[in-house]
Amino acid sequence: AQSVSQHNHHVILSEAASLELGCNYSYGGTVNLFWYVQYPGQHLQLLLKYFSGDPLVKGIKGFEAEFIKSKFSFNLRKPSVQWSDTAEYFCAVNGGAGTASKLTFGTGTRLQVTL
Amino acid sequence: NAGVTQTPKFRVLKTGQSMTLLCAQDMNHEYMYWYRQDPGMGLRLIHYSVGEGTTAKGEVPDGYNVSRLKKQNFLLGLESAAPSQTSVYFCASSPPRGRTNTEAFFGQGTRLTVV
Repeated sequence: AQSVSQHNHHVILSEAASLELGCNYSYGGTVNLFWYVQYPGQHLQLLLKYFSGDPLVKGIKGFEAEFIKSKFSFNLRKPSVQWSDTAEYFCAVNGGAGTASKLTFGTGTRLQVTL
Repeated sequence: NAGVTQTPKFRVLKTGQSMTLLCAQDMNHEYMYWYRQDPGMGLRLIHYSVGEGTTAKGEVPDGYNVSRLKKQNFLLGLESAAPSQTSVYFCASSPPRGRTNTEAFFGQGTRLTVV
């Protein structure tokens, strides 16, 4: 069975600080990897995704993530956070094929950006 | 283009009551999912469907039933609600894995309180 671990449960940063959120997954086969963001009171929105090719993926709002296959990791980064980045961030993995293809989420990281 | 629509958005139930949550998508997606979101636990998969007329159990299926009679709709039923089912419920849909774009699109959520 696939699983996702997010190491940071709550992160507090000042505006302009750099961000890195950890994500590790356990699944031996080919995977698709995602980062979703949930702003307060809203539904989940896709930040970025990795399917194949360049392991450094760029998403919306200046976010990027790097897939390191040997470490089973897909960490999210942003060089300079803004107050509007305050939200909860979820890493997700989609492995397998057919009926086994379902999204599994990590427990989320709550990011609080202070002015 | 409405995407994924969930009804209702809010509901309060008494213990033992039943209800059905409706999810509708207009993107012709084969896969549909029901998740529940609880603080500190991320999104946990309740049930999912890989096509019309098919359903499968996720991580936390107990106390819930689902039906996918039409491709565009995925219903989640609670036969006898319990306080432990107080949660925010999200529906999502996606194309099947193997295509180039398998990201999941989420509805706005249903906040359910069981008293």
